[in-house]
Amino acid sequence: RKEVEQDPGPFNVPEGATVAFNCTYSNSASQSFFWYRQDCRKEPKLLMSVYSSGNEDGRFTAQLNRASQYISLLIRDSKLSDSATYLCVVNSYYAGGTSYGKLTFGQGTILTVHP
Amino acid sequence: DAGITQSPRHKVTETGTPVTLRCHQTENHRYMYWYRQDPGHGLRLIHYSYGVKDTDKGEVSDGYSVSRSKTEDFLLTLESATSSQTSVYFCAISKRVDNSPLHFGNGTRLTVT
Repeated sequence: RKEVEQDPGPFNVPEGATVAFNCTYSNSASQSFFWYRQDCRKEPKLLMSVYSSGNEDGRFTAQLNRASQYISLLIRDSKLSDSATYLCVVNSYYAGGTSYGKLTFGQGTILTVHP
Repeated sequence: DAGITQSPRHKVTETGTPVTLRCHQTENHRYMYWYRQDPGHGLRLIHYSYGVKDTDKGEVSDGYSVSRSKTEDFLLTLESATSSQTSVYFCAISKRVDNSPLHFGNGTRLTVT
């Protein structure tokens, strides 16, 4: 089983639609979570961090369910500019010594928003 | 955007030649990372650095070495490039190791013929 799994899609939705992506992770020690977006042939860019209580940033809402080990991203009122690949990222931090935050990336979910 | 510059942006090289990719940051972040991104594999960590002269291996480090002689520069070297190292390479930085997100450079497209 992969450490971080996402439905690769593609998701094809019309403008104005609401779309949701889920991501599951296998390491129960994971401590922080992020969603990134990546446009074609560009670098990944941080979309939002995911907090335990859930958080919202404009049309984007992120949720975390630690018991079931999944995070979700909801996009409301989709825009053409939302077309991108969305990456789920999980950080398992190991304390002490020369430890680093082991960030594991999902393979991404492709979203295409059409007129 | 975080001040991260990767060079070169594109490179074509022949099998067996050495290649060095450079990552330069102006954010004074302690942590720096090299990833490669390939279809079907997503982003995979090659090496990372937690300070000047302090580096360690990631999950796909074979065939790669790194150096960090200054806070702002992190170099990735392919000692003898192979076709399997054709990829897009991203450098990333982060301020802390716990819940700090990564900020990526704009990538280097490397083709090994």
